[in-house]
Amino acid sequence: AQKVTQAQTEISVVEKEDVTLDCVYETRDTTYYLFWYKQPPSGELVFLIRRNSFDEQNEISGRYSWNFQKSTSSFNFTITASQVVDSAVYFCALRLNTDKLIFGTGTRLQVFP
Amino acid sequence: DADVTQTPRNRITKTGKRIMLECSQTKGHDRMYWYRQDPGLGLRLIYYSFDVKDINKGEISDGYSVSRQAQAKFSLSLESAIPNQTALYFCATSDSRDSPRHEQYFGPGTRLTVT
Repeated sequence: AQKVTQAQTEISVVEKEDVTLDCVYETRDTTYYLFWYKQPPSGELVFLIRRNSFDEQNEISGRYSWNFQKSTSSFNFTITASQVVDSAVYFCALRLNTDKLIFGTGTRLQVFP
Repeated sequence: DADVTQTPRNRITKTGKRIMLECSQTKGHDRMYWYRQDPGLGLRLIYYSFDVKDINKGEISDGYSVSRQAQAKFSLSLESAIPNQTALYFCATSDSRDSPRHEQYFGPGTRLTVT
């Protein structure tokens, strides 16, 4: 079965704190793709990153970083020095060669000033 | 202009009414999708279309139908709306030449309320 689990329903932090959003996935496919999307209060979905199953290099983009570990089937997302504008719901998603996109249930991040 | 547009953006309708949500894209993508988002459940796939003549049911297709009028247009219909279809609906597109490596591109969403 294919599944994405985001166990953290909601996280609250104070500005400038670092925060990590967890994502654990399940699939028996050897080729797959992982994504993170951000959904701000306005409701649209904003693409953040994609990673394929053959590339375990971590990635950093400004204050955002992603840690992909196949050994633990995890693709965690860290925001360094969080800001109020980071407040949103964040979705992790798994895409297989069938082209279906399987979403986790999302983590709501609230960053307080 | 946005690459993927959805109309209407907000809609309130009554139980039993027929309603159509429309999606248009200018990205030239051949694949289109409809998802619904419910609080705490993430996004779930309703229907998807790999080209004009290829339409497939997703995870939660009961109570919905779709029409792919052209490569650029994909409509979702609720034949007889019921309150538990109250949700945020997203249309998305992708290019088969890039799939599944690249992301799906999402429209801005349609917030539907069935009273």
